[in-house]
Amino acid sequence: EPEVTQTPSHQVTQMGQEVILRCVPISNHLYFYWYRQILGQKVEFLVSFYNNEISEKSEIFDDQFSVERPDGSNFTLKIRSTKLEDSAMYFCASSEFAGLITEAFFGQGTRLTVV
Amino acid sequence: AQSVTQPDIHITVSEGASLELRCNYSYGATPYLFWYVQSPGQGLQLLLKYFSGDTLVQGIKGFEAEFKRSQSSFNLRKPSVHWSDAAEYFCAVTTGTASKLTFGTGTRLQVTL
Repeated sequence: EPEVTQTPSHQVTQMGQEVILRCVPISNHLYFYWYRQILGQKVEFLVSFYNNEISEKSEIFDDQFSVERPDGSNFTLKIRSTKLEDSAMYFCASSEFAGLITEAFFGQGTRLTVV
Repeated sequence: AQSVTQPDIHITVSEGASLELRCNYSYGATPYLFWYVQSPGQGLQLLLKYFSGDTLVQGIKGFEAEFKRSQSSFNLRKPSVHWSDAAEYFCAVTTGTASKLTFGTGTRLQVTL
């Protein structure tokens, strides 16, 4: 069964460093998303991406965040200068269509720890 | 703004017992509701969803959920829990594009043998 894969599963980084979280969405999907979950809190929407541009973003997704689809298969989330409060589980998701009928398939997550 | 509340952080049930996980939402218009499950080390998997029509929806793994507009609830049920159902369960709502899901804080289910 096709699945969304994320690498690495766990990343530890020093405060102020840049990190890139990687995702391989399901191959025929066109819509891509990032969510995050700070420990003990809700899963929160960060950004959606379609046709090589951001279609929607939350207030969390400020200038230190960026997303990119560098090639035909990967979808990345970059955090330019990490802060302690960026420590969270980051989930990538993809869907074939946008709208009511679609189902978003989630990856297993990358746990980011900023020290 | 829309919101989702899952009042139970942690629930423990015996294998074979019935299960009900609560979810309440706050949203002005007709919500589109989802239940996801996350097993340890796994991604979020969709159990079921409600868009319209029959208010009792069936999902995978023997789960069902009932949409009750009068109570703003979308509780998840299973008549007989299996040990493999131990996981974290998330209720979510969207306005209409499934991209921007608003999640609850989750309920961790423990199953005792």
